[in-house]
Amino acid sequence: QKEVEQDPGPLSVPEGAIVSLNCTYSNSAFQYFMWYRQYSRKGPELLMYTYSSGNKEDGRFTAQVDKSSKYISLFIRDSQPSDSATYLCAMSAGASGSRLTFGEGTQLTVNP
Amino acid sequence: DAGVTQSPTHLIKTRGQQVTLRCSPKSGHDTVSWYQQALGQGPQFIFQYYEEEERQRGNFPDRFSGHQFPNYSSELNVNALLLGDSALYLCASSLGQGFGANVLTFGAGSRLTVL
Repeated sequence: QKEVEQDPGPLSVPEGAIVSLNCTYSNSAFQYFMWYRQYSRKGPELLMYTYSSGNKEDGRFTAQVDKSSKYISLFIRDSQPSDSATYLCAMSAGASGSRLTFGEGTQLTVNP
Repeated sequence: DAGVTQSPTHLIKTRGQQVTLRCSPKSGHDTVSWYQQALGQGPQFIFQYYEEEERQRGNFPDRFSGHQFPNYSSELNVNALLLGDSALYLCASSLGQGFGANVLTFGAGSRLTVL
């Protein structure tokens, strides 16, 4: 069983839709949760970084962490064609070390 | 401000050969991590270098080795290449070993094809 499970999609939505992306995990030691966006032929770029349970909002993006359910989500409001990319969840057990465990990524297409 | 730079961007090798990939971290960063990303998969942690030492290692064989130089740049070496080593190799840099250590800046990667 993988430590981090993520539905690979692909997910296709119309422009302006609300997008929900999710990951589940099995390792209770994970405390730091991240979402990365990866465009084709590029490296991942950090979108959201949260610690422990709770919500964090940044513009059109909202990250939610529910440690009791071992479940994290990323919501994208008013989705744009430029949001079309692969979204990767990532987790870490400690603040130091930067050893991240990634999900396999969800491929998102936002259609104009 | 240059981010993380990696070279080469693409390369083709044959089974059994050896390869060296290079990485220059983002200005101000002192920690370098390497990840392997197979097609359609998420990145997998190979190892991390800090203060010129390997600090952590993922589940990769000894054929994978690395080095960090005094200027914080790093190399990833893979010996006795296998077909399964074909992947995008990502270098990521970060600062220190504290809270910011999880904030990684990734390079665009080196795409290795093993024939």
